[in-house]
Amino acid sequence: DTGVSQDPRHKITKRGQNVTFRCDPISEHNRLYWYRQTLGQGPEFLTYFQNEAQLEKSRLLSDRFSAERPKGSFSTLEIQRTEQGDSAMYLCASSPEGLQFFGPGTRLTVL
Amino acid sequence: KNEVEQSPQNLTAQEGEFITINCSYSVGISALHWLQQHPGGGIVSLFMLSSGKKKHGRLIATINIQEKHSSLHITASHPRDSAVYICAAATSGTYKYIFGTGTRLKVLA
Repeated sequence: DTGVSQDPRHKITKRGQNVTFRCDPISEHNRLYWYRQTLGQGPEFLTYFQNEAQLEKSRLLSDRFSAERPKGSFSTLEIQRTEQGDSAMYLCASSPEGLQFFGPGTRLTVL
Repeated sequence: KNEVEQSPQNLTAQEGEFITINCSYSVGISALHWLQQHPGGGIVSLFMLSSGKKKHGRLIATINIQEKHSSLHITASHPRDSAVYICAAATSGTYKYIFGTGTRLKVLA
């Protein structure tokens, strides 16, 4: 399968715990995006990488959120001290330029 | 006011009906995308438009750049078309998407 993959697909955690999600983009896609989608809403932009450089971060990305793409390939999104409001689907997409290809998402539930 | 607005939010149609979903945007774009999202979250790109009209099977997408408006049409709708349809404005430069809230379509047999 050469599509965008995300791991895990589902994560249930208790409030206050840290969680980390991984995204593996399509090979040679230099652009990688993270989005968050809450129930009944369209996705919202979180952050964007071009190769290993994080070029844009949304104001939605509080200090508890950090994203990395250390070698310009896979990316991780970490949420520290999770809150119930962090419960959402976290979507990753990659792109050579223009059209984005989405992963299946990681559904986070914070109890 | 959202930068990307869609209407209607919910739509129920009978099988065979012609369906139109509208999208208006207020930001500068490099392209306008139509996406389909099924239950469980998977998002599939349907169209990327920067001008004019595109057709794929029973789906047709149009865009009017001057009016900042796009439409997605489904001809001869079928229950398998039931999904959430989302328009997304790809911004100039980063090409990040600004999404509409989606249109939940249900096609009844």
